[in-house]
Amino acid sequence: DAGVIQSPRHEVTEMGQEVTLRCKPISGHNSLFWYRQTMMRGLELLIYFNNNVPIDDSGMPEDRFSAKMPNASFSTLKIQPSEPRDSAVYFCASSLLRGTDTQYFGPGTRLTVL
Amino acid sequence: GESVGLHLPTLSVQEGDNSIINCAYSNSASDYFIWYKQESGKGPQFIIDIRSNMDKRQGQRVTVLLNKTVKHLSLQIAATQPGDSAVYFCAEKIPLGAQKLVFGQGTRLTINP
Repeated sequence: DAGVIQSPRHEVTEMGQEVTLRCKPISGHNSLFWYRQTMMRGLELLIYFNNNVPIDDSGMPEDRFSAKMPNASFSTLKIQPSEPRDSAVYFCASSLLRGTDTQYFGPGTRLTVL
Repeated sequence: GESVGLHLPTLSVQEGDNSIINCAYSNSASDYFIWYKQESGKGPQFIIDIRSNMDKRQGQRVTVLLNKTVKHLSLQIAATQPGDSAVYFCAEKIPLGAQKLVFGQGTRLTINP
């Protein structure tokens, strides 16, 4: 079975550019989570969706960050404009609402903003 | 529940020995706990979970122990192998029906040959 799929795996961009990260959750899962991982702050939840609806975006750092989930099989995390402090590994995870609460993670996107 | 990752605690063990990784969680009302393994360049991988109505759960070569009195979680890995080298995270589910997982800072496990 395919796990969570993320693209791109690596992204290098310049400050001020728009960055779009993509995620395809595990088929049949109806909850999707976006995390950011840095050495300084560890693994932080940015936002999560249930049935394509954003439930909690309190972890989104600021208005430069936005996330959408237009359908059950696709989500995007956009940063506009990007800044060097956004450099991190961004993970997407999915789970089955009303299931075991276990979240399954994708391989991550390593973002470097120069 | 804050994750601060400046300096990861490190545990070094000899191949074949048993490992015990400890975690202190923050919320006494948390009702679900997970251990994840993260290898270099990969996403966190589910290892084992436990609900708050249990104090022990066993998997293949791994055992999780939960002590709610002192808000402590441990992961025991039997007969460690080189492939067990990774960073291990505990995570707790915030109560009140939310689905948020709060992750610990992680422990780096190194297996010596």
